[in-house]
Amino acid sequence: AQSVTQPDIHITVSEGASLELRCNYSYGATPYLFWYVQSPGQGLQLLLKYFSGDTLVQGIKGFEAEFKRSQSSFNLRKPSVHWSDAAEYFCALTGGFKTIFGAGTRLFVKA
Amino acid sequence: NAGVTQTPKFQVLKTGQSMTLQCAQDMNHNSMYWYRQDPGMGLRLIYYSASEGTTDKGEVPNGYNVSRLNKREFSLRLESAAPSQTSVYFCATEREPDTGELFFGEGSRLTVL
Repeated sequence: AQSVTQPDIHITVSEGASLELRCNYSYGATPYLFWYVQSPGQGLQLLLKYFSGDTLVQGIKGFEAEFKRSQSSFNLRKPSVHWSDAAEYFCALTGGFKTIFGAGTRLFVKA
Repeated sequence: NAGVTQTPKFQVLKTGQSMTLQCAQDMNHNSMYWYRQDPGMGLRLIYYSASEGTTDKGEVPNGYNVSRLNKREFSLRLESAAPSQTSVYFCATEREPDTGELFFGEGSRLTVL
């Protein structure tokens, strides 16, 4: 069965520090993978997506993610976190079925 | 350009009451979705509609009904609300064709007492 796992429920980083949010998936073929961000009281907004090709994808707000087939992972990274990045982040997967989401990782940013 | 609009944004119901959540999109997308979001569980699909006139069950359809009124509108109805339906509900549309890329409304927070 298809699934998405985000191992970290919450992460705290200092402003200016680097960030990596983990995402692992289970799917029998090459999936379409996404990262969404949700600010408090808002809907989800697409950060970036992977369909095929280059395994390092760039998104909005300075985020990037790397698809690693051998590890079934699609981790989200940012070199320098800003206070405005505090939000909840969701990894998602689709592949001929409707999009499924991980449980989310809440990011806290320390001043 | 409003994108995906949901109403109401907040609602409090008593157990057994009924209500309808409305969703309208101006993105001219065929596919529309209703998800519910609960703490620690991510988003779970309730129902979806691949095109006007068609609807299908998702992962958690029990207690809900939907109507795809036209290409723009997709409503979610709770016929007899239960406390377990306390949640935040999101409507979404999908970039075509079948990309999986979703565009979300701002959500409707429902509390059932």
